[in-house]
Amino acid sequence: QVQLVQSGAEVKKPGSSVKVSCKASGGTFSDYGVSWVRQAPGQGLEWMGRIIPLLHVTDYALKFQDRFTFTADKSTNTMYMEVSSLRSEDTAIYYCWETTTDADNWGQGTQVIVSS
Amino acid sequence: DIQMTQSPSSLAASVGDRVAIACRSSQNISVYLNWYQQKPGKAPNLLIYGASSLHGGVPSRFSGSGSGTDFTLTISSLQSGDLAVYYCQQSYSTPWTFGQGTTLEIK
Repeated sequence: QVQLVQSGAEVKKPGSSVKVSCKASGGTFSDYGVSWVRQAPGQGLEWMGRIIPLLHVTDYALKFQDRFTFTADKSTNTMYMEVSSLRSEDTAIYYCWETTTDADNWGQGTQVIVSS
Repeated sequence: DIQMTQSPSSLAASVGDRVAIACRSSQNISVYLNWYQQKPGKAPNLLIYGASSLHGGVPSRFSGSGSGTDFTLTISSLQSGDLAVYYCQQSYSTPWTFGQGTTLEIK
């Protein structure tokens, strides 16, 4: 079964950028693509958008259309989520999530802390 | 965007109790409704998909029902390991949206 393995926790200064990776271990990403989900401290789950490399499609929720970029590296079977111009309110756990007709796989989450 | 509203926001129940969590969507989503369980410090786990289909490996005490705009997650006999936050999520159209969550505590 495919496992999604994310990069480690990050501490960043306001105004800087961060890039979180999500690698499929034990297989490859499906053709359905990967979503990214944000969970602020003590808060619920928020769908940020998704990337479907097979269709060359990225689909961002309105709130995440600015400063957020999803990319894919097929050669390494890795997805990336980059946030630029970081703000304190970007402090959260970020999950990658692959959902298909047969499976529902989540990464372990990457904590991003934005603090001066 | 489709808004998802869960009720209650929190509840406390005893081991062995029957528990029900409601979820309402702001528009008709047919049966494109999923339920997730999130335990403290962990990623969410899928319990129910398509409103009523049990995901592989999920205990049969979990069940889902509903269609259109009103849905229910039921735990037939609460176990201590069911302490978690439960979320409904619509996959009818993007942006996919989650309910605000229901915190389940064990008395």
